[in-house]
Amino acid sequence: DAKTTQPNSMESNEEEPVHLPCNHSTISGTDYIHWYRQLPSQGPEYVIHGLTSNVNNRMASLAIAEDRKSSTLILHRATLRDAAVYYCILDFGNEKLTFGTGTRLTIIP
Amino acid sequence: KAGVTQTPRYLIKTRGQQVTLSCSPISGHRSVSWYQQTPGQGLQFLFEYFSETQRNKGNFPGRFSGRQFSNSRSEMNVSTLELGDSALYLCASRLAGGPSTDTQYFGPGTRLTVL
Repeated sequence: DAKTTQPNSMESNEEEPVHLPCNHSTISGTDYIHWYRQLPSQGPEYVIHGLTSNVNNRMASLAIAEDRKSSTLILHRATLRDAAVYYCILDFGNEKLTFGTGTRLTIIP
Repeated sequence: KAGVTQTPRYLIKTRGQQVTLSCSPISGHRSVSWYQQTPGQGLQFLFEYFSETQRNKGNFPGRFSGRQFSNSRSEMNVSTLELGDSALYLCASRLAGGPSTDTQYFGPGTRLTVL
């Protein structure tokens, strides 16, 4: 399975944008890039996903590098409720998500 | 639409016992996956069921088993419990499985403690 690499932790001030990076240098052409987040004492929650083009939804934006070897999750205006562990995952459609260690995001009031 | 529900939410067992966890997927979802989450190993995939058939399996011993019923509800069983089985067990459902545009929706998990 293709692997992803993320920083262990990041901090951001409240109401500022947050850019969470993910490296996936061994990604294959059919792998989708998914982002999930896990708030304390909850199961993971879907954030966004994409294949080649940049994607936007109400929660976040996903910027995918042209070579697809890296991507960045963008939270446009962080709130305290965005404090969570963010997972970048490659999904090649076999229903098995391989989670890495994720990035623990701390929001500073 | 109700989310994924898991019962029980908390469970305490002793070594050697067996345990059964239950998961009810979102209505209409036919794929159910199970994950184990521990502080040391993170989130690890256990297995996935679709239309009552196991389609995919992670690297766990045979003590871990599961099944899916015709209404898509799923159960996971762990026999001969070990201390290392203490973990948060998460269930996730998705509509059909296969295409990677299909999002997985996770339940709140069952916290199992083995004494």
